[in-house]
Amino acid sequence: AQSVTQPDIHITVSEGASLELRCNYSYGATPYLFWYVQSPGQGLQLLLKYFSGDTLVQGIKGFEAEFKRSQSSFNLRKPSVHWSDAAEYFCAVRGGSNYKLTFGKGTLLTVNP
Amino acid sequence: DGGITQSPKYLFRKEGQNVTLSCEQNLNHDAMYWYRQDPGQGLRLIYYSQIVNDFQKGDIAEGYSVSREKKESFPLTVTSAQKNPTAFYLCASSGHTQETQYFGPGTRLLVL
Repeated sequence: AQSVTQPDIHITVSEGASLELRCNYSYGATPYLFWYVQSPGQGLQLLLKYFSGDTLVQGIKGFEAEFKRSQSSFNLRKPSVHWSDAAEYFCAVRGGSNYKLTFGKGTLLTVNP
Repeated sequence: DGGITQSPKYLFRKEGQNVTLSCEQNLNHDAMYWYRQDPGQGLRLIYYSQIVNDFQKGDIAEGYSVSREKKESFPLTVTSAQKNPTAFYLCASSGHTQETQYFGPGTRLLVL
């Protein structure tokens, strides 16, 4: 069975600082990996996805993520955080032909001015 | 604009009452999904449908029912059998390859 772990429940950073949100997955083959962002009371917006190819993936809003097979990780990064990035971030995994999307429990990001 | 709409934004349920949450998409997507979100729990799959007139149970289908009579519509009914319905409900859809799911704005269900 596939699973996702987001080790950090809550992270606080200062505006302008760099950000890395961790995601570890469990799946037997090469998975499809996603990062979504959710503002309070809103739906989920897709930030980026990895299916194959280049392991460094660029997304919207200046975010990027790197797939590391050896570490079963797909960490999300941003070089300089803006106050508008404060939200909850979800990592998700989907295995091959399996329709099912499995989500981590999320990381809440707070940005201090 | 193409997208997914959910209504209502807030819904109140009385004891013993069934309520229906609406989900409509104009993305021409084949597959549609319903998730439940509780604080600190991530998203859990309730039901999904890959084609019209067909749907399958997800991880937490008990107390819920769905229908898929039209490609663009996938309503979710929360029945009186669901003893803890208070949650945020999210609808999603994906294209024929079903690789990427796109989400609606959600409906918050509260119990009176």
